[in-house]
Amino acid sequence: AQSVTQPDIHITVSEGASLELRCNYSYGATPYLFWYVQSPGQGLQLLLKYFSGDTLVQGIKGFEAEFKRSQSSFNLRKPSVHWSDAAEYFCAVLTSGGSYIPTFGRGTSLIVHP
Amino acid sequence: GAGVSQSPSNKVTEKGKDVELRCDPISGHTALYWYRQSLGQGLEFLIYFQGNSAPDKSGLPSDRFSAERTGGSVSTLTIQRTQQEDSAVYLCASSPLASGIYGYTFGSGTRLTVV
Repeated sequence: AQSVTQPDIHITVSEGASLELRCNYSYGATPYLFWYVQSPGQGLQLLLKYFSGDTLVQGIKGFEAEFKRSQSSFNLRKPSVHWSDAAEYFCAVLTSGGSYIPTFGRGTSLIVHP
Repeated sequence: GAGVSQSPSNKVTEKGKDVELRCDPISGHTALYWYRQSLGQGLEFLIYFQGNSAPDKSGLPSDRFSAERTGGSVSTLTIQRTQQEDSAVYLCASSPLASGIYGYTFGSGTRLTVV
């Protein structure tokens, strides 16, 4: 079965600083990969997704993520963080030919200091 | 509708009572998922619908939990004889394809508090 690890429970950055949130997965083949953001009291919003092809994918709100097969990672990045980016971020994995049930990581809480 | 709608947004119930949580997915979306999110925890999968059928109920925590989907649209999650450990945010998501490969649209959730 696939699994997803987000090693950082909390990340604190200053506004304007760069950001990288880590995501590692365990699966024998290349999965479908997703990043979601959850603002307080809201559901999850899709930031970006990876299927195949170009390993650097662009998403909404200025986010990007890079798939690295050798490291089984799909880290989320943003060059300059805004205070409104403070939220919970979830990485998710969906396997091809599998059960159609995505597995979500435990989430990383992003705190932005002014 | 434009998004996934869940009702009620908040529900406070007494221990032992039954509750029904409703999800209106995006029109035409084949797949529907229910997840549970407890305080400080990730998302716990409950059940998956493909059309009106539920090929995967493996996440339902006990036989007190049940769900149905009618007309390939609205879904209801029912919790019988609620317990305090059922307190959580219940999230519904839908996807246009059964496989979910294009991602999911989530509702804002129902916050359930059992007192």
